Amino acid sequence: AQSVAQPEDQVNVAEGNPLTVKCTYSVSGNPYLFWYVQYPNRGLQFLLKYITGDNLVKGSYGFEAEFNKSQTSFHLKKPSALVSDSALYFCAVRDPGRRALTFGSGTRLQVQP
Amino acid sequence: GAVVSQHPSWVICKSGTSVKIECRSLDFQATTMFWYRQFPKQSLMLMATSNEGSKATYEQGVEKDKFLINHASLTLSTLTVTSAHPEDSSFYICSARTGQNSYNEQFFGPGTRLTVL
Repeated sequence: AQSVAQPEDQVNVAEGNPLTVKCTYSVSGNPYLFWYVQYPNRGLQFLLKYITGDNLVKGSYGFEAEFNKSQTSFHLKKPSALVSDSALYFCAVRDPGRRALTFGSGTRLQVQP
Repeated sequence: GAVVSQHPSWVICKSGTSVKIECRSLDFQATTMFWYRQFPKQSLMLMATSNEGSKATYEQGVEKDKFLINHASLTLSTLTVTSAHPEDSSFYICSARTGQNSYNEQFFGPGTRLTVL
């Protein structure tokens, strides 16, 4: 069975500082990995995905994520955080044999001015 | 990116009544649609997967007779919560994907907040 772990319920960072939101996964085959962001009372917005190729994936709003197969991780990063980045972030994985995504528990990012 | 809409955005109903939630893909054809449920401060839990013109596949523990899903066209799926009870109060989110490739990203609707009194 596929699973995703986001070990941090909340991450606090000062505006302008780099941020990292952690994600580890478990799948039976090669993973398809995704990051989504959710603002209050809103649906999820796609940020980026890793399917194959370069381990560093660049996405929307200046976010990027690094795929590390040996550590089964897919951490989300941004060089310089903005207050407007404050939101709930979900890591998700899809086993190629399944249709649906499995989501992590979510990490709330709080960027302080 | 592609746009998915949901209607209504929120609904309040009395216990025992049924509520229908619509999910539409506005600018693409969704071969597969998914329905998720999200409790406060929790992650999304997949309820069911539906393909246009066929019966939905429900996740373990989800009552198919209570949560009726219809995927009548490539742009519309509906979720009907039948005989709703307060424990059904939740945030329901649909998503849609085009094509058969499982690496295609899913596009999410804005969600529908259901409150059952």
